[in-house]
Amino acid sequence: KAGVTQTPRYLIKTRGQQVTLSCSPISGHRSVSWYQQTPGQGLQFLFEYFSETQRNKGNFPGRFSGRQFSNSRSEMNVSTLELGDSALYLCASSKDLTEAFFGQGTRLTVV
Amino acid sequence: AQSVSQHNHHVILSEAASLELGCNYSYGGTVNLFWYVQYPGQHLQLLLKYFSGDPLVKGIKGFEAEFIKSKFSFNLRKPSVQWSDTAEYFCAVWNSGGYQKVTFGTGTKLQVIP
Repeated sequence: KAGVTQTPRYLIKTRGQQVTLSCSPISGHRSVSWYQQTPGQGLQFLFEYFSETQRNKGNFPGRFSGRQFSNSRSEMNVSTLELGDSALYLCASSKDLTEAFFGQGTRLTVV
Repeated sequence: AQSVSQHNHHVILSEAASLELGCNYSYGGTVNLFWYVQYPGQHLQLLLKYFSGDPLVKGIKGFEAEFIKSKFSFNLRKPSVQWSDTAEYFCAVWNSGGYQKVTFGTGTKLQVIP
């Protein structure tokens, strides 16, 4: 079966712009979470959605937001991009809340 | 808040050497424990997981890990590493809190020299 799909794979944006990343979970998985991976901070939890509701949020500024659609697909938005937002953004889905399956990530570069 | 500590940030081994990567976590409740591997330029892949039962868990590619509850540890081991094991390894904890949140360690970069 298909894994977690993230699009686009690579993005280059200018400081001050906004960006939207997309994540399609494994079929049947209703929980989607997002993580930011940087060399300095490692892997950090951004937020989690289940049935279109955000249930948990990490320690990130309000510029980071997300949403989930009725088909469980999720989007993450970052507004007013800063150089420090350059990172690999990972999405993970889960069916039974015991294990997360990760996508290949979106590499965002802010210049 | 739970946290995960990985003691080794960068490990260099020769092929056929034995590997042990340390991992400690700080959550006292029921946890699910994982080791993920990230090969250069690739996504996170699950190596092995522990939910309950036998504390010695075997994963893919000859890796195993031992859960020691009294020490809050979940160390990763492999008897004989190969050049293809060069990657970054992440220990992770998922607390059974009813939602999906994984707390990762800072990762250990393993370099295996042929």
